[in-house]
Amino acid sequence: DSGVTQTPKHLITATGQRVTLRCSPRSGDLSVYWYQQSLDQGLQFLIQYYNGEERAKGNILERFSAQQFPDLHSELNLSSLELGDSALYFCASSEGVNTEAFFGQGTRLTVV
Amino acid sequence: AQKVTQAQTEISVVEKEDVTLDCVYETRDTTYYLFWYKQPPSGELVFLIRRNSFDEQNEISGRYSWNFQKSTSSFNFTITASQVVDSAVYFCALSEPPNTNAGKSTFGDGTTLTVKP
Repeated sequence: DSGVTQTPKHLITATGQRVTLRCSPRSGDLSVYWYQQSLDQGLQFLIQYYNGEERAKGNILERFSAQQFPDLHSELNLSSLELGDSALYFCASSEGVNTEAFFGQGTRLTVV
Repeated sequence: AQKVTQAQTEISVVEKEDVTLDCVYETRDTTYYLFWYKQPPSGELVFLIRRNSFDEQNEISGRYSWNFQKSTSSFNFTITASQVVDSAVYFCALSEPPNTNAGKSTFGDGTTLTVKP
């Protein structure tokens, strides 16, 4: 158990809908990262937050957004969902940017 | 731009065989960090090792060993005396400063290792 908690574990929704994925980092970790893992794109970095502020952006679609709250948990919002958004979404956390990152178990999103 | 290539998509071995997973990377930076992660069938990503670009010493941890060669831009991973529990997808990843962890990294496509009893 990495200490990073992601909810829900599974999510099935219809095209065009909006969902929110939640991540609780390890206690004391200030940095949160989101990744998307799909069969055709592999593991892709989406976005990073550090202590509530956006720190880095990767291949995140405009339909997707994220935020990190004062209690350091993070949410990834996915809207206008398409079939191609079906993937495993990982959250990772680290104490800073120079310490080891720990990954959660992921949220498997299926868009039908 | 960063790139990580894991040319071996799938490898199948019989228990107790040694197996090497290849990782070749591209980066323009002289300072960078390399990682290996394991993703078992349960789905989580398990950290295995981090190595910075200035440390070319090979590392051994139990049945696992890593061979880092800057001259060939490779960071290969060997499992000695493989076991069925080693069956997983293994990812190699590359990170550049200021991030020295794998949080914001470029991952390879992964190698699926199947160890048969």
